[in-house]
Formats: sequence, C-alpha cells, structure tokens
Amino acid sequence: AQTVTQSQPEMSVQEAETVTLSCTYDTSENNYYLFWYKQPPSRQMILVIRQEAYKQQNATENRFSVNFQKAAKSFSLKISDSQLGDTAMYFCAFMKPPTDSWGKLQFGAGTQVVVTP
Amino acid sequence: EAQVTQNPRYLITVTGKKLTVTCSQNMNHEYMSWYRQDPGLGLRQIYYSMNVEVTDKGDVPEGYKVSRKEKRNFPLILESPSPNQTSLYFCASSPPWGRYAIEQFFGPGTRLTVL
Repeated sequence: AQTVTQSQPEMSVQEAETVTLSCTYDTSENNYYLFWYKQPPSRQMILVIRQEAYKQQNATENRFSVNFQKAAKSFSLKISDSQLGDTAMYFCAFMKPPTDSWGKLQFGAGTQVVVTP
Repeated sequence: EAQVTQNPRYLITVTGKKLTVTCSQNMNHEYMSWYRQDPGLGLRQIYYSMNVEVTDKGDVPEGYKVSRKEKRNFPLILESPSPNQTSLYFCASSPPWGRYAIEQFFGPGTRLTVL
C-alpha cells in the first residue's frame, strides 16, 4: 500500500518570503501521479499543482513549484513570494494510474501554512 | 457553473438516527468518490463509483453505504451513525483523462457531528 508522509504539521512564513513544504511517499509503482492540494479556511479543496512521475521536469504553476526527486520518493512544494491568501492547510497526495478501477487519492496528514504580514 | 454540490453543509445528529448526505455534479463525470477528513489523518477514501450502478469500497467503508442510480448523484448513507463518524466529508468527481481519471473536483464539504 502507498503511504504519504508530511513531517511538518505547521509552518509560518512572512509575506513575500519563500516557504518549502516537504512530502515523502512510499510506493513500488514506477508510474504514478502526485498532487498538492490547498485547503483554505473555507475548507474547499483546491488543486495547486500536479506532477506525473514519468516526467522529469518539475511542474510549476505561477508562484508554486515542486521539487520532484523520484529516486528519493520526495515531492516538496515551494511557495514563492508568499501572500496572505496562501494561508491554508496543504495536502500532498499520491495516485497510481487506475487500470480497471478508480484512481484513489492517498493523502498525507497535511501542513498548516500561516503567512504573516 | 461546473461544480460538485453537497447537502447539507453542516449537520448535528444523534447516535443511531439514519442520515443521508447528498452529492451531485453537473459535469457529466463518470467517477465519483467520498472521503472523510480527520485531524492528523488527512483525507481517506470511503467509497467510490466508476459509473452508474458500479460502486466499491475504499479504505474506510465501515458504517457507510452508497448508491449510484444516476450519473450525477452519489449519496452517502449512514444507517446508524456513531460518534466516531463525526468528521468532515468530501465528495469528489472526475472526468476521464484518456482512459484514466486523474484530476478530481471536490465539493465544499459537509461537517457532520454525531452526539
């Protein structure tokens, strides 16, 4: 079974600074997908970024970028130029490619990010 | 607007009183799923459905039932709720990505308290 570990329960960062969230996972699969989801106080789950394991290039979405290290099974998220609206719980999630069944998302415990003025 | 809706958003109930949380999507997605979110555990899958009349258990199905009679709806049923089912519940749906479902769209969540 796959497991996803987020070792940082909470992180604080000042506006305009950079913060990096760590995520490690355990799998015997060679091909899979990794995600970062953001959950603001509204509780809505928002997809931040997605990475396919077969792609070596790290995914980037505006101020959000990942450092994907397949051999180390590590998938960290970097938030650059942090903004107050980035305050949220961030979840790392793993999905192996579905074959004849639904692609289940396996989530980590989450990291609470607090952006301070 | 493309969306996943859940009702109710908040519910306080008592042990043993049957309840249903509805989930509906207007994106014609084949795949739908229920998750529960608990502190320190992230989200865990309860049940999923690949299409109408096709459902299967996720990681934590005990105490829950689902049905998929229509493509757009995927209700979650708690026949006899217990306090350990107090949680935040999310419904999600997904379009096919080629042959596979990759990105999931989440509903707004239902906060359930069982006394």
